[in-house]
Amino acid sequence: DAGVTQSPTHLIKTRGQQVTLRCSPKSGHDTVSWYQQALGQGPQFIFQYYEEEERQRGNFPDRFSGHQFPNYSSELNVNALLLGDSALYLCASSHNRGRRRFSPLHFGNGTRLTVT
Amino acid sequence: GQQLNQSPQSMFIQEGEDVSMNCTSSSIFNTWLWYKQEPGEGPVLLIALYKAGELTSNGRLTAQFGITRKDSFLNISASIPSDVGIYFCAGNGGSQGNLIFGKGTKLSVKP
Repeated sequence: DAGVTQSPTHLIKTRGQQVTLRCSPKSGHDTVSWYQQALGQGPQFIFQYYEEEERQRGNFPDRFSGHQFPNYSSELNVNALLLGDSALYLCASSHNRGRRRFSPLHFGNGTRLTVT
Repeated sequence: GQQLNQSPQSMFIQEGEDVSMNCTSSSIFNTWLWYKQEPGEGPVLLIALYKAGELTSNGRLTAQFGITRKDSFLNISASIPSDVGIYFCAGNGGSQGNLIFGKGTKLSVKP
């Protein structure tokens, strides 16, 4: 049973470029959330996708966008990269359909993005 | 962004010792979770708490959901070298949605 998988594992981009990160959720999960983790900090919520729609969004600019596909996999896109976007980007999945209680998030190992 | 107050920031202990760490928030949460993160990996779920006053164990780990719903505690008994890592608390205030994370407690265990 595969857990959450993310690709690529590492990425180096230049300021002003665009990047796409990919995530496949844990088997049986239907919801994908994206988090940004700066060095020495806890993860910060970017947004959550369920039923192919953005359901909640954290305090991140519109340069951050996403998509969820019918197979529940997801992409995170960041446009006009800034040096401050350098971080570990974590994808987390959960199963929410029919649930009323919070469904714990299961995280992938992340994509390390370096912007130079 | 909003974060929880997690303490201590770091701990250096001897193998076999017990460990305690805690997390406080200015907001009420409906769910508290504890995660462990090791270098090069994502956070791994340790314990999930859903009810004020709830005490839950997972092996040598025990966590409690504070009565005020604004805090949570994690205890590790008889620590071993593989307990090394960063422990994060996280809270959720709604039925579904985002998690607010603490800054983490870095645990070092001396054999």
